[in-house]
Amino acid sequence: DTAVSQTPKYLVTQMGNDKSIKCEQNLGHDTMYWYKQDSKKFLKIMFSYNNKELIINETVPNRFSPKSPDKAHLNLHINSLELGDSAVYFCASSQFENEQFFGPGTRLTVL
Amino acid sequence: GENVEQHPSTLSVQEGDSAVIKCTYSDSASNYFPWYKQELGKRPQLIIDIRSNVGEKKDQRIAVTLNKTAKHFSLHITETQPEDSAVYFCAARISYDKVIFGPGTSLSVIP
Repeated sequence: DTAVSQTPKYLVTQMGNDKSIKCEQNLGHDTMYWYKQDSKKFLKIMFSYNNKELIINETVPNRFSPKSPDKAHLNLHINSLELGDSAVYFCASSQFENEQFFGPGTRLTVL
Repeated sequence: GENVEQHPSTLSVQEGDSAVIKCTYSDSASNYFPWYKQELGKRPQLIIDIRSNVGEKKDQRIAVTLNKTAKHFSLHITETQPEDSAVYFCAARISYDKVIFGPGTSLSVIP
């Protein structure tokens, strides 16, 4: 059973389009995150959600919006995609102050 | 601001030798320090972690040390093997919902 899953695994799209990435965790964790990993491999936190409440909103463009329909899901919606949005996006979850479990990643390519 | 530095950015060692990666953090409130290994095309996965009330922790060939006064922590891998080749990330948990990652170290173990 996959602990943290993401769909799709690959996403290729044109500039200006709107796209969504879905994330689900079956670990019962109460905090979920979205990270962006650029070509230099740096992992930058974008958002975290705790019990459906946004806790952190880092300095990311407001074209990015996280949506959490319930405790086990945290989706990422991106409007008006730009070339610089191309990266690998990782979802993660954790419980209390313990380790984070990462999803397999979604490789987004904006043409 | 909150920051985690990591050195070196790249490291090459001969198989069987030891590898050491060092990190420093800025926020004295940090209380949990995980290390993640990311193989090419895969997700980051926890390999070892240490909490602020412990100075050293070991798990087979991997050990981590923490100096809270100096805000330093290090990863030690002994008897390196080719399958240890990966990118390693240190991180510091600043709060319940915020983890800051270092920029990563690309380790190559030469057979």
